[in-house]
Amino acid sequence: DIQMTQSPSAMSASVGDRVTITCRASQGISNFLAWFQQKPGKVPTRLIYATSSLQSGVPSRFSGSGSGTEFTLTISSLQPEDFATYYCLQHNSYPLTFGGGTKVEIK
Amino acid sequence: QVQLQESGPGLVKPSETLSLTCTVSGGSVSNYYWNWIRHSPGKGLEWIGYIYYSGTTNYNPSLKSRVTISVDTSKNQFSLKLNSVTAADTAVYYCARYHLVTAIDYWGQGTLVTVSS
Repeated sequence: DIQMTQSPSAMSASVGDRVTITCRASQGISNFLAWFQQKPGKVPTRLIYATSSLQSGVPSRFSGSGSGTEFTLTISSLQPEDFATYYCLQHNSYPLTFGGGTKVEIK
Repeated sequence: QVQLQESGPGLVKPSETLSLTCTVSGGSVSNYYWNWIRHSPGKGLEWIGYIYYSGTTNYNPSLKSRVTISVDTSKNQFSLKLNSVTAADTAVYYCARYHLVTAIDYWGQGTLVTVSS
């Protein structure tokens, strides 16, 4: 199985901050990496697919980058509605595996 | 707009079989890969497996011996059976649509299944 190590597991940030979340894969996954946002009691929603493609309707302050084994999700200017938990997903090989999540909390 | 909705018992006894159904509306199951994923505090998000409309399946090796996913194209539904459950199988279970290039794009609302006597 490909292990996805996500960091940090939690962070505190302020509105307007630039936030970067990292996922490292235990082996190369090409660009088969997606990012999801989940708010308490809600369904995960896709933000980014294919490493850097922005899901339609998602604000442009979200961006993704990376290749091979290291990937990042960046929120350029954190907004109040962005406080949530973020997960990465690799789908280069089976079983599909998720990162452990990053909880972004208000500072 | 594609919508997915899980249904099934919220409480299952240890050693019994967990059975869930996902009903797809606003689109056909006769395309894409249809997945089951679960989320528990202990294990985080865990992919259970998928079925393609043709019936081809792919399961997580960690669960493969206990899992069956099936599809009913006439009802636009697909189903999950997980047998010999234990408390470790307590989780929120999601059904989801998966595309090979763009990953998961639609999720059901999720249903909490508790394994307890």
